[in-house]
Amino acid sequence: KAGVTQTPRYLIKTRGQQVTLSCSPISGHRSVSWYQQTPGQGLQFLFEYFSETQRNKGNFPGRFSGRQFSNSRSEMNVSTLELGDSALYLCASSLVGGEAGELFFGEGSRLTVL
Amino acid sequence: GQQVMQIPQYQHVQEGEDFTTYCNSSTTLSNIQWYKQRPGGHPVFLIQLVKSGEVKKQKRLTFQFGEAKKNSSLHITATQTTDVGTYFCKSGGSYIPTFGRGTSLIVHP
Repeated sequence: KAGVTQTPRYLIKTRGQQVTLSCSPISGHRSVSWYQQTPGQGLQFLFEYFSETQRNKGNFPGRFSGRQFSNSRSEMNVSTLELGDSALYLCASSLVGGEAGELFFGEGSRLTVL
Repeated sequence: GQQVMQIPQYQHVQEGEDFTTYCNSSTTLSNIQWYKQRPGGHPVFLIQLVKSGEVKKQKRLTFQFGEAKKNSSLHITATQTTDVGTYFCKSGGSYIPTFGRGTSLIVHP
């Protein structure tokens, strides 16, 4: 079956702009979580959605937001971009989510903020 | 919040040598997962450990969960060039999923 699909794969923005990233989970998976990966901070949890509800959220400012649609597809948005937001944004889908769910990651969206 | 310390950060080995990475938590974990990320790739799930003292093997890979469920290790026997990548542990049992910083394995042929 198809894996996790993230779009776009690469994008370049300038400071102050906003960006929306999309994630289509594996069919049947109801949990989608988002992670930010940087060389300095590693993999950091942004938020998890399950059946259109945000289940938990990491320690990121309110500029980072997300949502999930009825078909389980998810989007995350970052407003008022800062240079430090440059990172690989990874989406992961899971059948059950939560702490015990096996995560299936997408290829990621690499964001560069100039 | 919960912290997961993973060491070493990097490990260079000659092909055929063994490799071990360790994860240590300040709190008791309900489970621990291990992932592998190849250079330029995305993390791929390897295994989940749940029980105290659990040991699981996948071919040349051996995973252990400590008796106190606060530490875990991944051991690779006789490394191959295909083992190159960064190995991450992920803790379970806290509100926020926490990944270790990863151990990057470099295998010299």
